[in-house]
Amino acid sequence: NAGVMQNPRHLVRRRGQEARLRCSPMKGHSHVYWYRQLPEEGLKFMVYLQKENIIDESGMPKERFSAEFPKEGPSILRIQQVVRGDSAAYFCASSPPGGPDTQYFGPGTRLTVL
Amino acid sequence: SQQGEEDPQALSIQEGENATMNCSYKTSINNLQWYRQNSGRGLVHLILIRSNEREKHSGRLRVTLDTSKKSSSLLITASRAADTASYFCATDGSSNTGKLIFGQGTTLQVKP
Repeated sequence: NAGVMQNPRHLVRRRGQEARLRCSPMKGHSHVYWYRQLPEEGLKFMVYLQKENIIDESGMPKERFSAEFPKEGPSILRIQQVVRGDSAAYFCASSPPGGPDTQYFGPGTRLTVL
Repeated sequence: SQQGEEDPQALSIQEGENATMNCSYKTSINNLQWYRQNSGRGLVHLILIRSNEREKHSGRLRVTLDTSKKSSSLLITASRAADTASYFCATDGSSNTGKLIFGQGTTLQVKP
């Protein structure tokens, strides 16, 4: 059973460009979470999605950030017009239906904004 | 402010010694989890303890939870160099959405 997959693992963007981060949850998991980790800090919750629904986006910046989890395909975290402060590691986690409980994390995408 | 705060921030021990990390949190919880993160890697789930449990074991790991003090501890016995990593506690803040609130982490170095 493959774990949570994220791609790309490393992403370099120039200021003003768009960044798209992908997350494929574990097989059978229907809950997806995105977290951001700044250097030397813990993870900060961004958004929680189920298929075609955003359940909790209380941690998402109000502008430039969006997330989706379509019926088919991976979950996408999209950052428009990136700025240097967006440089961080972005982690996706998934959990099975029936309750959030234990979340299984992917390897993360390290975004560097030049 | 962080829901979970780990103490100490950094810990350095010799192989074979025990390592104890503490975590404090602010709000009521349904459960508390501990994760490990090796440098530059993703998080590995170690153990989950529910609010009605006081202690839990998994291999060389022992976790305690004191809801009256809003604190938890992670004990790693007979440490190995491979245990070198950052350790994070995470709480759900009694949320039903599964949103985890992480502490800043404890960086553990185990010297061979």
